[in-house]
This record gives sequence, structure tokens and C-alpha cells, in this order.
Amino acid sequence: DTTVKQNPRYKLARVGKPVNLICSQTMNHDTMYWYQKKPNQAPKLLLFYYDKILNREADTFEKFQSSRPNNSFCSLYIGSAGLEYSAMYLCASSRETGHTQYFGPGTRLLVL
Amino acid sequence: AQKVTQTQTSISVMEKTTVTMDCVYETQDSSYFLFWYKQTASGEIVFLIRQDSYKKENATVGHYSLNFQKPKSSIGLIITATQIEDSAVYFCAMREGSGTYQRFGTGTKLQVVP
Repeated sequence: DTTVKQNPRYKLARVGKPVNLICSQTMNHDTMYWYQKKPNQAPKLLLFYYDKILNREADTFEKFQSSRPNNSFCSLYIGSAGLEYSAMYLCASSRETGHTQYFGPGTRLLVL
Repeated sequence: AQKVTQTQTSISVMEKTTVTMDCVYETQDSSYFLFWYKQTASGEIVFLIRQDSYKKENATVGHYSLNFQKPKSSIGLIITATQIEDSAVYFCAMREGSGTYQRFGTGTKLQVVP
């Protein structure tokens, strides 16, 4: 089973309000990732967890937070959504960091 | 720094033909890993095929194969006997041997027409 699940699938948020996205995987993968995907752009890595260690990209360090309470779950938290956060947010996991990734169906976030 | 470039923005091919999508990469590492993913109309991204830099033989999975040209830093994806359902956006990605994450290209949109 290579299933990665994400909730919700669609999210409407107001500018300035917080957003919390959830991801889960049952493959016992040690690494979980969050990407932001906008049309006609490459998936942009926001952060990833290797086991309990969080790694965040330098340019998104203050914008996104995350938690991984156990091996299976990982959340992405936006404290104050801006219009520029409207995008598809993709969660992925891999058995080893940087290797073959299995993606969830994504959460489409629209900020108004 | 690692970089992945897909210059083909969009390709249209007839059903049942063969198509090649290009990808070039830049890295200082002697060891690296190359991946191709497919994003369907629903937005979901699916792993297709992988090539490890130390392997000389081109990877093949089903009707997907790779054209790995190491001297040219190129990893082309070949789809034979294309089907309508192959219509999607295809992403190339690379992870450096010393790195911890994959860098993606901007993708190539493939349209397969009857």
C-alpha cells in the first residue's frame, strides 16, 4: 500500500487567518515532505521531516510551521494566510530522505 | 548548487506513437539520483521511474524508459505506444548524492490526441 492521504482536499481561507493541513502515511516512511505547487511552476519544497527532525527551506522558514506527532502524521501550519498562499499543497513521503517519493492527492488552498 | 531544466513546455503527439521528453541537470556531485514523476489532471503526482547515476543501463518500467546520457547531463523520458491517459504534466527531479531532497524541473505538459 503506497497511500498518502491529505485532509482537507479543498480549503477556503480568509486573509490573515490560520490554516492547518494534515497528511498521513501508512508505509512507515521515515521522511515526510510538504511542497507548494502553483500552475506552470515546479513543486517548491517548503519543509521536510526526517524522523523527528524538521528541516525548513531558508525562504519559507518563517511562513510555514509543521509538526509530526508520530511517524504516520505530519501537519503544515500557516499562521496568517496571504493571497500568495493560494496553491496546491502536496504532502509526500519516502523510505529514505531524498529518494523515491510517494505523493498524496494534495490540498487546494484558496485564500480570499 | 543543483539545477534541473525542462525546456519543453508542451508537447502534443498522436496516440500510439513514441515521445521523448527532455531534462538536463547540473550538479557538482559525482553521485546523484534522477527521477521522473507524472502529475495527472486531478493534481496528484505519481512516481514513474528512477535512474541512479552509477548505473550504466537505462532504466525501464512498463512503457516508460530513460535515455541517460551522463556526459551531456541529460535524462530523457521515453514513452512508447502512448495512450490518451498518458496526457499529463511530467516532472524531472534530481537528488544529489550529498543532498537530502529532490529538486524538480518546471514540467512538460504532454497531450496525446487520437
